[in-house]
Amino acid sequence: GEDVEQSLFLSVREGDSSVINCTYTDSSSTYLYWYKQEPGAGLQLLTYIFSNMDMKQDQRLTVLLNKKDKHLSLRIADTQTGDSAIYFCAESLPSGGYNKLIFGAGTRLAVHP
Amino acid sequence: DAGVTQSPTHLIKTRGQQVTLRCSPKSGHDTVSWYQQALGQGPQFIFQYYEEEERQRGNFPDRFSGHQFPNYSSELNVNALLLGDSALYLCASSFRSVQPQHFGDGTRLSIL
Repeated sequence: GEDVEQSLFLSVREGDSSVINCTYTDSSSTYLYWYKQEPGAGLQLLTYIFSNMDMKQDQRLTVLLNKKDKHLSLRIADTQTGDSAIYFCAESLPSGGYNKLIFGAGTRLAVHP
Repeated sequence: DAGVTQSPTHLIKTRGQQVTLRCSPKSGHDTVSWYQQALGQGPQFIFQYYEEEERQRGNFPDRFSGHQFPNYSSELNVNALLLGDSALYLCASSFRSVQPQHFGDGTRLSIL
């Protein structure tokens, strides 16, 4: 089936690390994505990982993928107030040579002083 | 380098009316996908266009239709609007279907 689940809310202190978790059900996913959405805006592509990789690091962002457990996580180091937003996990599902994105409901990250 | 642009940014319609939303893809992209994001939810896939044809479709009724033009821009049409069609409509573009999708800021559609 096509289902992506995320915890709904995370609160962290400025300067700490944030870890946002996601689980998905479809083992045919080719890529897994993290998008950020600020109030009133569209989705900003943060990072993505190919399904045969375990980890990807991009500056303050670290993505971990456990394909066996179908678990994806996004770690944000040194979290800042500007990181406050909704974070969406998405899996890319192939069908007939084309791909569509299946999104979770989003995790609202609140960063406090 | 312009990203994905959508118009209009906001739209108010009444039940039963028809609406057309527009999208210009990021430069160099040839594939356009449309998503509906209801308040408090993640985006839901509507359909995807490549080479002016609908290639994939999500679980949306035939009231939702689209078009892609030779310059890769796209339109989303919704007929016989219902209150439940109120949402943020997001357009995403990519180079071919397998590449990462980049999103516009969306059109917020309100149905009265």
